[in-house]
Amino acid sequence: GAVVSQHPSRVICKSGTSVKIECRSLDFQATTMFWYRQFPKKSLMLMATSNEGSKATYEQGVEKDKFLINHASLTLSTLTVTSAHPEDSSFYICSAIRTRGNEQFFGPGTRLTVL
Amino acid sequence: QQQVKQSPQSLIVQKGGISIINCAYENTAFDYFPWYQQFPGKGPALLIAIRPDVSEKKEGRFTISFNKSAKQFSLHIMDSQPGDSATYFCAAMRDGGSQGNLIFGKGTKLSVKP
Repeated sequence: GAVVSQHPSRVICKSGTSVKIECRSLDFQATTMFWYRQFPKKSLMLMATSNEGSKATYEQGVEKDKFLINHASLTLSTLTVTSAHPEDSSFYICSAIRTRGNEQFFGPGTRLTVL
Repeated sequence: QQQVKQSPQSLIVQKGGISIINCAYENTAFDYFPWYQQFPGKGPALLIAIRPDVSEKKEGRFTISFNKSAKQFSLHIMDSQPGDSATYFCAAMRDGGSQGNLIFGKGTKLSVKP
């Protein structure tokens, strides 16, 4: 149990386009999901906390208008990178916490490359 | 300011040896300390976690040692295997606080040589 999936696993897009990444908890309900960004050989940086049915909480320095987060259901959160630029290229990872619990279960990540 | 300091940055161990990775934290409010294992191109997976009320926790070949007074904790991998080669992250969190607000160390790349 406690599987988190992400789709797509890899995406290549042109500069200026928008990309949507989905994060799903497959076998549990997740009131809270998190979005991280990881640069090569670096640690995970929390971008935002997403709570079902409410607005996401963004970490300092993360542009909320650029990284749109929607958590419409207890099993799905989406991250949309708007007007993507090459510097947005990164590995994006989501995680989810069970509705009653504190352990984070991570998704497999999405590799975004912006040309 | 980095709240969780992890060392070493990289580690090479012979098969069968013991891998030791250390972390130190600053915030005494932290009360949940997990270790994650990450393979290239994959998301992190929880390996083992400890709370401050115990000094050691063992699961198979993996052991966490926790020193509350020194604000340090370490991961020991016994009988290291080539399949253990991965990047390991320690993390800390204030359980019950901003839920799930994990603070990660910078990671240790472990290579286990056959």
